Amino acid sequence: DVKVTQSSRYLVKRTGEKVFLECVQDMDHENMFWYRQDPGLGLRLIYFSYDVKMKEKGDIPEGYSVSREKKERFSLILESASTNQTSMYLCASSLGFVGDGRPNTGELFFGEGSRLTVL
Amino acid sequence: AQKITQTQPGMFVQEKEAVTLDCTYDTSDPSYGLFWYKQPSSGEMIFLIYQGSYDQQNATEGRYSLNFQKARKSANLVISASQLGDSAMYFCAMREPMFSGGYNKLIFGAGTRLAVHP
Repeated sequence: DVKVTQSSRYLVKRTGEKVFLECVQDMDHENMFWYRQDPGLGLRLIYFSYDVKMKEKGDIPEGYSVSREKKERFSLILESASTNQTSMYLCASSLGFVGDGRPNTGELFFGEGSRLTVL
Repeated sequence: AQKITQTQPGMFVQEKEAVTLDCTYDTSDPSYGLFWYKQPSSGEMIFLIYQGSYDQQNATEGRYSLNFQKARKSANLVISASQLGDSAMYFCAMREPMFSGGYNKLIFGAGTRLAVHP
């Protein structure tokens, strides 16, 4: 069964702390994503990666960075957490590019989410 | 730019009745895909159904069907015979084109919270 695992379901951090959110997938997917979910705003893309060591900014990258040293692992880093980063964070992965010859709709496979509270 | 709109923040339906959740999209690319995901209170995102822009027939998966009206740019989700376990947030999403920086990532609507009443 395909699986995306996020390291922590719930975190509470203090303003100014450095925060690491880890995500691991076991499906050998090329693409990995970090979304942020807030009420009334849906899911907004923070960063994504389509290959090891590659990263692309999403719609709301400010205040975040990412790391992808291995294909299966994608980390989201909050260098100095702020209260407006209190949110649900969702990691996802997907298979390559649609039309690269493999059966692929672009479906995202999600982790269970990490709910971060910054005090 | 691509955009997904879900105009119903909340909906309720009686158990065993059908319900339609609205989704409209905006894109100038001829090749795209549309998805619906369900998010129960536990938080995980569950894939429900997919419709490709070139698919001739509306997608169906069990009690879920996608009412795809290409000219109107709408992709409404229809849930037949609602069950209490259908109470959740529902998100419509569209796959962005690979080129022009899209990389096939998904953009999501704001979601609709569905409550099924006994």
